Amino acid sequence: DVKVTQSSRYLVKRTGEKVFLECVQDMDHENMFWYRQDPGLGLRLIYFSYDVKMKEKGDIPEGYSVSREKKERFSLILESASTNQTSMYLCASRLGRQVEHEQYFGPGTRLTVT
Amino acid sequence: AQKITQTQPGMFVQEKEAVTLDCTYDTSDPSYGLFWYKQPSSGEMIFLIYQGSYDQQNATEGRYSLNFQKARKSANLVISASQLGDSAMYFCAMSSSSGNTPLVFGKGTRLSVIA
Repeated sequence: DVKVTQSSRYLVKRTGEKVFLECVQDMDHENMFWYRQDPGLGLRLIYFSYDVKMKEKGDIPEGYSVSREKKERFSLILESASTNQTSMYLCASRLGRQVEHEQYFGPGTRLTVT
Repeated sequence: AQKITQTQPGMFVQEKEAVTLDCTYDTSDPSYGLFWYKQPSSGEMIFLIYQGSYDQQNATEGRYSLNFQKARKSANLVISASQLGDSAMYFCAMSSSSGNTPLVFGKGTRLSVIA
């Protein structure tokens, strides 16, 4: 079974702090993604990566950056956390870009910025 | 651009009844895939079912089936014999044959199963 793990289920940080959210997948998937989920807004794509050291902006990249130094690990960085970044963050991985390849999700991190 | 529309923000169904969750999509790609995911209150997203655009038969997985109507661009999820554990958010998503875009998700439908 594919396993996608995220470093924390719950996280509380202060405004202005630098925040790292880590995501690791164990099935040698090429593609990895970061989403945030807010009530009524569904899943919104922040950044994604199709290969090591590659990154692409999603729909809402402002205030975030990412790092993919190794194939299995994709990190989301909040350079200076703000209260409007309080949200559920979901990481996902995908084997490749074939139409039938589903995305596998991690358990999510509920981030609160105070 | 691809788009997924889920018009039902919330739905209720009686236990043991069948329920249909609506999903319409828009794409100009000749080949694409359609997915349904379930998200219980715990937060994890669980893959339920997949339908390819060239598949002749509607996909089925246990109590889940996908009612695929290509001409109408709809991919409705049918859950038969609803159970209390089916209460969750359900998301429809689409993949593209162009390969350069991630899955596109709808905003979801919250299903509540009533005893």
